[in-house]
Amino acid sequence: KAGVTQTPRYLIKTRGQQVTLSCSPISGHRSVSWYQQTPGQGLQFLFEYFSETQRNKGNFPGRFSGRQFSNSRSEMNVSTLELGDSALYLCASSLEAGLNTGELFFGEGSRLTVL
Amino acid sequence: KNEVEQSPQNLTAQEGEFITINCSYSVGISALHWLQQHPGGGIVSLFMLSSGKKKHGRLIATINIQEKHSSLHITASHPRDSAVYICAVTAYTGNQFYFGTGTSLTVIP
Repeated sequence: KAGVTQTPRYLIKTRGQQVTLSCSPISGHRSVSWYQQTPGQGLQFLFEYFSETQRNKGNFPGRFSGRQFSNSRSEMNVSTLELGDSALYLCASSLEAGLNTGELFFGEGSRLTVL
Repeated sequence: KNEVEQSPQNLTAQEGEFITINCSYSVGISALHWLQQHPGGGIVSLFMLSSGKKKHGRLIATINIQEKHSSLHITASHPRDSAVYICAVTAYTGNQFYFGTGTSLTVIP
């Protein structure tokens, strides 16, 4: 059974650009959640999607957005990139919604560097 | 203000020692997660619990809902247990998800 796949694994962007990251969940999983990890702030929750709907959202500006497709694959987008957006972006999938119904399975992450 | 506090921040142990990592939280929760992160970034879920105690191999997790406290125990520690252990909670309010800052564990042979 394939795990959670995130692409791209590494990318470099410059300030002001925008970026789109992709997350393919484990087959059958319908919940996808996104997280940002930085040395200064640690891990922070971005948002969770279930059945193509955003269920909840962390405390991030509107530049951070996401969506989920009918096959449960999810994308997150960051517009007008800032230096502080440099981070490891992780996604996780689970069978059901709510982040309290079962084990979370994490991808390897997408490491974004903003120059 | 951190909704989730972990202690200790760093921990060094000799192989074979019994290890305890603590997690305290300040919000009402529907679940608590213990996660393990190895160098390179990959995160593995160890436990999700909402009450009582769970055991998997040499790992034991307990939670006391009244005291808002959880512990992760590792029995007979091994160098391959060296990793960062992270506590996270699913809060009732707004379905938010909060992380602790992690405990970096090094087990010396």
